[in-house]
Amino acid sequence: QTVVTQEPSLTVSPGGTVTLTCASSTGAVASGSYPNWFQQKPGQAPRALIYSTSNKHSWTPARFSGSLLGGKAALTLSGVQPEDEAEYYCLLYFGSGWVFGGGTKLTVL
Amino acid sequence: QITLKESGPTLVKPTQTLTLTCTFSGFSLSTSGLGVGWIRQPPGKALEWLALIYWDDDKRYSPSLKSRLTITKDTSKNQVVLTMTNMDPVDTATYYCAHRTSGPLFDYWGQGILVTVSS
Repeated sequence: QTVVTQEPSLTVSPGGTVTLTCASSTGAVASGSYPNWFQQKPGQAPRALIYSTSNKHSWTPARFSGSLLGGKAALTLSGVQPEDEAEYYCLLYFGSGWVFGGGTKLTVL
Repeated sequence: QITLKESGPTLVKPTQTLTLTCTFSGFSLSTSGLGVGWIRQPPGKALEWLALIYWDDDKRYSPSLKSRLTITKDTSKNQVVLTMTNMDPVDTATYYCAHRTSGPLFDYWGQGILVTVSS
């Protein structure tokens, strides 16, 4: 069974920069895994942020960016705002279907 | 404006079959490239992809749950139905449906429905 691993938790100061990563148990994450990133706040449905590695939705703030970094998918937040405190999930495609990561709880402190 | 809404029972007994309906608006599942998927989230836990159906009736299932899941669509009613057999308390979760296009995956989500499995 394929496992997608994210940092369980990260802390960043307001205005700072933080990178969240998403690793695959099958090896390096590539563009063919079509990495997606979602943000979820308590009591809310997930909100799509990034698709196909680095593409933003029309509602995605400019401070969010996606990339491939060292064999992983990455989500970078530059100039973090207090409202960015949330759980972040990556989603990867594996041919047989899609697998979510375990999520990263981002604290802005 | 794309919207989706999940409906179905909020309480099911162990061994029963769960049937959830996703009713959507703002798009048609007869349009090439589009799909609707189901994702669930147990309380306090991570998201889990369950199933996806495309405009051409192509269906994909989570390998770990494939034997228990069936996804169907009714294009005329703008609905997608997910059935899950042999429900167990570990299946207690919020179940979401989401819109899928040829590029973005799951760009629009329903509000979710909390399903509790208990006798």
